Amino acid sequence: KAGVTQTPRYLIKTRGQQVTLSCSPISGHRSVSWYQQTPGQGLQFLFEYFSETQRNKGNFPGRFSGRQFSNSRSEMNVSTLELGDSALYLCASSLWGQGAYEQYFGPGTRLTVT
Amino acid sequence: AQSVTQLDSQVPVFEEAPVELRCNYSSSVSVYLFWYVQYPNQGLQLLLKYLSGSTLVESINGFEAEFNKSQTSFHLRKPSVHISDTAEYFCAVSDNNNNDMRFGAGTRLTVKP
Repeated sequence: KAGVTQTPRYLIKTRGQQVTLSCSPISGHRSVSWYQQTPGQGLQFLFEYFSETQRNKGNFPGRFSGRQFSNSRSEMNVSTLELGDSALYLCASSLWGQGAYEQYFGPGTRLTVT
Repeated sequence: AQSVTQLDSQVPVFEEAPVELRCNYSSSVSVYLFWYVQYPNQGLQLLLKYLSGSTLVESINGFEAEFNKSQTSFHLRKPSVHISDTAEYFCAVSDNNNNDMRFGAGTRLTVKP
């Protein structure tokens, strides 16, 4: 099976712009979670989608949003970018969600905001 | 909600030496515990996990971790490390109540020749 894929791998944006990141989960996986990874804050949970519904959300402002399509592919959007949004954004898929199920991570999208 | 503390941000060791990466968690319910590894420029990969049963779990590349409920710990150990073990290691905790996996801040293991 193909692994989790994320596009694009690298992105440079200007403060105030918006950005959309894409994640394709492993075939058959219905849960997709998003994480932000920074040197200062580590790995922080953004949100989880299951069967096109947001099931759980971390403590991030409303500028961060996401959605999941019927084929389980997911996108996350960040509006009005700030310098502090520069990070590695990781997507992870699993069969049924978090809890006891292993999450499979993609390579990430490195976003740089200038 | 559950939380995870990784007590060491960096652990430098020499090749073939033993290593222990420490992880403590807090939770009011039964938990599932995981160790993930992240190599440079890659996503995280599952190293091992504890769901239930035997408190000692092992990975295919020689790592092991022991679930200690009384000390709320899940430390990762390897008796003899290799240069290729150099990576960042993350401890994570989740449960079926919140459906929300929490990660520790990570421990950067550097193996020196």
